Parts: sequence; structure tokens; C-alpha cells
Amino acid sequence: GDSVTQMEGPVTLSEEAFLTINCTYTATGYPSLFWYVQYPGEGLQLLLKATKADDKGSNKGFEATYRKETTSFHLEKGSVQVSDSAVYFCALSEGGNNDMRFGAGTRLTVKP
Amino acid sequence: NAGVTQTPKFQVLKTGQSMTLQCAQDMNHEYMSWYRQDPGMGLRLIHYSVGAGITDQGEVPNGYNVSRSTTEDFPLRLLSAAPSQTSVYFCASKLLAGVGDTQYFGPGTRLTVL
Repeated sequence: GDSVTQMEGPVTLSEEAFLTINCTYTATGYPSLFWYVQYPGEGLQLLLKATKADDKGSNKGFEATYRKETTSFHLEKGSVQVSDSAVYFCALSEGGNNDMRFGAGTRLTVKP
Repeated sequence: NAGVTQTPKFQVLKTGQSMTLQCAQDMNHEYMSWYRQDPGMGLRLIHYSVGAGITDQGEVPNGYNVSRSTTEDFPLRLLSAAPSQTSVYFCASKLLAGVGDTQYFGPGTRLTVL
């Protein structure tokens, strides 16, 4: 079945460092791909998404490109801030009713 | 719009007790779902609904019941709580069923079963 694999955390960076969180997926069809962010004590919020190959999702300085050839959707940000400290989840959906799959989550801590 | 709301935020139960976690959305979304979040395992789908009167099982349905009598509400029932059900529970919704689109999440309910 479909699945998502994310790099294990936790990840600790200094402010203004470059961030990459790796995400790869397996799917039978052509899924939509998502990054969600969870701030402490809150629910998940959509950070960005991409619905087809070579699409780039972007939001709040974060970017991820849908790479069908490598089945990847890596999250990047050029300069992280303390306020980016959160847990990041990669997810996919092929459009069925029972099909949204999440990665295990990667905890990011940014130190001043 | 309040979005997706959940009550309570925190709950402690004893083994064998029952309770209902409430979930409501005011976005007229067709699809609603319940997930549990456990450390190192991401989110796993418990049950989902594609519209009022229609529910189905997800990945981890055992020990949980759901119903969908209205478009807005989707309660999750634990009939006889077990320590293995200690988790954080999230309700989510999206506009249309059967479409790979964004799901909107509630703030979560942290449940501890002693």
C-alpha cells in the first residue's frame, strides 16, 4: 500500500541556517503531496502542497518540489527562524476515501 | 468560521470507562475523519465519513465507534477504554470525499487511559 517515509528527527538548527527535511513516498498512482506543520499544543496546519509532478509548493519561505522520478517531496527553507520550531509531517493522498498517509513526523528546534 | 472544533481538550479515563469525543465543522465539508497520533507513528486513520449517514473504517478502527447524523458533527465513541487508547486524537474534514485535497484539522484531544 501507499506509504510515506520522512527523515528521522529531531533536527536542531541555529537561526538563519538552511533546512532540509527529506520525504519519499510509495504510491500506486499519482498522489497529491502535502507538508503539514504542528506547533506545540496545536493541531496540524497545511504548510504547502503539490498536486502533480514538477509542481513546487511554497509558503512562508518553505518550498517543496514534487519529484516523480525520485518519488520525493523534500521540504526546504533557506533561513529558519526560532518561530519555525515545530513538528513537520509529510503526507500523500491519491483521492480515495481511506488513503491519506502520513510520515512519522520530524521535530525541528531552532535555537537563537 | 470556527473551522474544525473538538471537545474536550484533555481527558483522563479509567480502564473500562466509556466516553465520546466531540467534533464539529462549520465549513459544510462532505468528508470527516478521525486520526490518532502516537509518538514515532505519525497519524493513523480510525474512521471516516463521506457524508451524513455514511461511515467506514480506517486503518485502526478497533475499540472505536462513530456516527454521522448531520453534516456538521462526527463524534467518536470509546465504549470500553483501554490503556492502548492513550493517544492524541484529531478530527479533520475536507470539502469533498474522494478527492486528494487538503484536510483541515481540529486542535486535538489528549486522552489518557489509566
